[in-house]
Amino acid sequence: AQTVTQSQPEMSVQEAETVTLSCTYDTSESDYYLFWYKQPPSRQMILVIRQEAYKQQNATENRFSVNFQKAAKSFSLKISDSQLGDAAMYFCAPRMEYGNKLVFGAGTILRVKS
Amino acid sequence: DGGITQSPKYLFRKEGQNVTLSCEQNLNHDAMYWYRQDPGQGLRLIYYSQIVNDFQKGDIAEGYSVSREKKESFPLTVTSAQKNPTAFYLCATQPGNTIYFGEGSWLTVV
Repeated sequence: AQTVTQSQPEMSVQEAETVTLSCTYDTSESDYYLFWYKQPPSRQMILVIRQEAYKQQNATENRFSVNFQKAAKSFSLKISDSQLGDAAMYFCAPRMEYGNKLVFGAGTILRVKS
Repeated sequence: DGGITQSPKYLFRKEGQNVTLSCEQNLNHDAMYWYRQDPGQGLRLIYYSQIVNDFQKGDIAEGYSVSREKKESFPLTVTSAQKNPTAFYLCATQPGNTIYFGEGSWLTVV
């Protein structure tokens, strides 16, 4: 079974600064997708960014970018110019082709200080 | 409005009762999913359906049942066999390779 590890249960960042959330996963597949989701206090799951494993270029969405290291099975999320609205629980979730389902990590709580 | 609609937002169940959570989508997406989230934890897959009249068990299907009679609808029934049903339930759909979620339903056993 695939496993996903988010080793930082909680992180804090000062407003306008940069923070990186880590994620490692285990898989024997070579072709898959990886996602970061944000869950604010409303509990809605919001897609932040996605990465295709076959692409070497790291995905970027505005202030959010990833560092995808396929060989190391690592998929970290960098948030630049942090804003108060970024405060939430963040989940790393690979989606393997086999089974066609997301596997979630335990999440990292991000606190943003003003 | 287009999107994924889950109802009710809050639901209370007495011991021994079955309850059904509704998930409707007007996005014309084939694949639909049900996830469960316990406090402070990630999501776990209960059931998923790739097409109408077909569905597969996820990692924690025991005590749950689903149906997929229409493309738009994927209701989840929490049966009395589910011993610890208090949780937050999320429905999702998948166009292409990305999964999008509804707003979720809270189920509490009283």
